[in-house]
Amino acid sequence: GENVEQHPSTLSVQEGDSAVIKCTYSDSASNYFPWYKQELGKGPQLIIDIRSNVGEKKDQRIAVTLNKTAKHFSLHITETQPEDSAVYFCAALYTGTASKLTFGTGTRLQVTL
Amino acid sequence: DTAVSQTPKYLVTQMGNDKSIKCEQNLGHDTMYWYKQDSKKFLKIMFSYNNKELIINETVPNRFSPKSPDKAHLNLHINSLELGDSAVYFCASSQFGSKETQYFGPGTRLLVL
Repeated sequence: GENVEQHPSTLSVQEGDSAVIKCTYSDSASNYFPWYKQELGKGPQLIIDIRSNVGEKKDQRIAVTLNKTAKHFSLHITETQPEDSAVYFCAALYTGTASKLTFGTGTRLQVTL
Repeated sequence: DTAVSQTPKYLVTQMGNDKSIKCEQNLGHDTMYWYKQDSKKFLKIMFSYNNKELIINETVPNRFSPKSPDKAHLNLHINSLELGDSAVYFCASSQFGSKETQYFGPGTRLLVL
């Protein structure tokens, strides 16, 4: 099965700085990589995703890059704001007999003033 | 206009009791999931149903029994609750075969005393 590793587990940045979260996956058959943001007391919310036929995707201050050869993908948040503070999860979709989303262990991002 | 809803939001109960959590989605999706998030925030899939048929059943104790009366509903019944069942349980839904983005509910916080 798929295994997704995520680093760092915690990340503290000053407002306005950039934040980068990195993930690696094990199964080369995985072809869909979403990123979720989970605020305190809420469910995970999709913020951006990327398919394996694309190397980079941007949405305003958020971007995701994918290196299929190395099985790495990363989330980049620029010009961080206090409301970006949350737990971020990467995930990889393994489409075997049944599609299964495997999550990374999460990164707690703290944006300080 | 909540997309994925769960009830109850909080559940506090004694060891040995039986309890149920309900989930409903109004997105028209054909696939629904149950995830467990432990105290370390690790998200792990438990079950997945596609068109009311069980397609993913991870190594979950058989005290947990999902039921899908129709495509829009997926319930989780837990028998003989144990202390280790304390966690946040998330329901999610997606449309199989398309982008397969999973949309999560707000979670049910279960505390077993």
